Amino acid sequence: AQTVTQSQPEMSVQEAETVTLSCTYDTSENNYYLFWYKQPPSRQMILVIRQEAYKQQNATENRFSVNFQKAAKSFSLKISDSQLGDTAMYFCAFRSNKLIFGTGTLLAVQP
Amino acid sequence: NAGVMQNPRHLVRRRGQEARLRCSPMKGHSHVYWYRQLPEEGLKFMVYLQKENIIDESGMPKERFSAEFPKEGPSILRIQQVVRGDSAAYFCASSLQGAGQETQYFGPGTRLLVL
Repeated sequence: AQTVTQSQPEMSVQEAETVTLSCTYDTSENNYYLFWYKQPPSRQMILVIRQEAYKQQNATENRFSVNFQKAAKSFSLKISDSQLGDTAMYFCAFRSNKLIFGTGTLLAVQP
Repeated sequence: NAGVMQNPRHLVRRRGQEARLRCSPMKGHSHVYWYRQLPEEGLKFMVYLQKENIIDESGMPKERFSAEFPKEGPSILRIQQVVRGDSAAYFCASSLQGAGQETQYFGPGTRLLVL
């Protein structure tokens, strides 16, 4: 069975600093896709970044980047220059055919 | 290009009533997915539909729940004889293709409260 684990229920970071959210997954498949979604207090699910498993290069989207280690089945999200608007629940997700989500990490950015 | 639309945004039902949730995918998208988020939990897959077809319903309870995506009109998630445990946020997502690499775009969700 495919599973996604986020071991940090809550994290806090000072504005303008960097924070890393961890995610591990388990699968026997070789081709798959990984995503980070953000869910702010409005509860809208917003795509932050995606990574194709066949690509060795880590994905980057502005202040957001990932550290993808396929052998270790690890997919962490790094947020640089944290902003107050980054405060949200962050979900890691794995997809082969359907999306499987982790339990989320609640990130609070402190002023 | 409008995003994924869901209505209603909030729905209150009494035990035993029916809940009907609607989802209009992004323009041009023919693949729709429904997820349920219980309080303090992540999203759980329920069902994947393509126009007029159910592709994967492995996450949907066998009783009381049904989903459709007709040729014309929105996708409907229907919950019959609701119980308190059905209280949750129900999210719909859509994608252009159904392949694994396609990004799913989410709607704002419908928050169902069963009294």
